Amino acid sequence: GNSVTQMEGPVTLSEEAFLTINCTYTATGYPSLFWYVQYPGEGLQLLLKATKADDKGSNKGFEATYRKETTSFHLEKGSVQVSDSAVYFCALSLRGGGTSYGKLTFGQGTILTVHP
Amino acid sequence: DTEVTQTPKHLVMGMTNKKSLKCEQHMGHRAMYWYKQKAKKPPELMFVYSYEKLSINESVPSRFSPECPNSSLLNLHLHALQPEDSALYLCASSQASEAFFGQGTRLTVV
Repeated sequence: GNSVTQMEGPVTLSEEAFLTINCTYTATGYPSLFWYVQYPGEGLQLLLKATKADDKGSNKGFEATYRKETTSFHLEKGSVQVSDSAVYFCALSLRGGGTSYGKLTFGQGTILTVHP
Repeated sequence: DTEVTQTPKHLVMGMTNKKSLKCEQHMGHRAMYWYKQKAKKPPELMFVYSYEKLSINESVPSRFSPECPNSSLLNLHLHALQPEDSALYLCASSQASEAFFGQGTRLTVV
């Protein structure tokens, strides 16, 4: 089956620190990979995505590179802000049609807290 | 417009009540989803509609009844819920592999 494993949390950082949240996956086919962010009391927002090997997704200073050889999609940011405090979910979906179309498999989520 | 709109934002209901959650998208997406999310957990898929037809039901109890009246609307009808059904209910839509989520309905069953 398909699965996503994220690093254990929670993660607590000071403002302007470097952030890495590890994500690895297993998939029966060729997945698309995503990072979603959930701010307190809100729904999920798509943060970035990558659809093929070596693609780099980026948005709002966050980056992640699709590494097929290591089945990883680690999230990084060079300098975090207090406003980045949220829960981050790594996810995959398999491309193509059929009943799995667009169905997301999520990691367990990583709570990030950034202090001033 | 990449917006998925859910109403209501909050809902409190008794175990004998009947209520409905609503979801709307105008992105022309042909797949729509209901997810349930408990605190500090990832979303769990409940239902998938593809081209207005139910394509996946993840063994959800019958007290949850989905409906897709047209390609832009998705409802979730609730009846005789239990306190353990209290959660954030998220609607999503997709056309390709990525899904866009609404803000969710925070449901409390008393």
